[in-house]
Amino acid sequence: GESVGLHLPTLSVQEGDNSIINCAYSNSASDYFIWYKQESGKGPQFIIDIRSNMDKRQGQRVTVLLNKTVKHLSLQIAATQPGDSAVYFCAENIYEAGDYKLSFGAGTTVTVRA
Amino acid sequence: DAGITQSPRHKVTETGTPVTLRCHQTENHRYMYWYRQDPGHGLRLIHYSYGVKDTDKGEVSDGYSVSRSKTEDFLLTLESATSSQTSVYFCAISEHGASSGNTIYFGEGSWLTVV
Repeated sequence: GESVGLHLPTLSVQEGDNSIINCAYSNSASDYFIWYKQESGKGPQFIIDIRSNMDKRQGQRVTVLLNKTVKHLSLQIAATQPGDSAVYFCAENIYEAGDYKLSFGAGTTVTVRA
Repeated sequence: DAGITQSPRHKVTETGTPVTLRCHQTENHRYMYWYRQDPGHGLRLIHYSYGVKDTDKGEVSDGYSVSRSKTEDFLLTLESATSSQTSVYFCAISEHGASSGNTIYFGEGSWLTVV
């Protein structure tokens, strides 16, 4: 089963506003997390990652926050643009049945309103 | 772009026919993966390879086989396609395995329809 999930399947954001996409995970032993962006008809594109020894990591217009206490991950997009419209996935690196594997959430569809 | 080419990008095939999808990488990464993506299921791992001729099953491997004769190429074969294998297939690569922190880069996808 999936141990990674997103709180909301869709998110509508006004252009220029900040977006926050949430992700909950259930495996407290997970040590690595990745956010992907997938535009229609394309493959998932790596955005940013974070290891469990960090609480926050920033990239270009994006910030990932990790709250290990409540097993929650979020992706913040600053000054959302039309090109940010896509499906966003979080992925969790978990240790299961003697091996590591990457488990993907179902995704949140972000729509940017002009 | 991560230097991953998938072919064909789109294919329609009949039930019971064999189908092979090809993934070619130019990054010289050791690990290669095949995922399928279906509505409501997210990305699910079919098979992966950790080196030439070294492959292992993922969570949805039934009905699929893979081969890796060269570092740069990873083939996914549906021996006898079924309608349940209609999906979008993504090849992915990573330099390191999952135990090292696993940044996986994806190709553009192959849309397969089995009629």
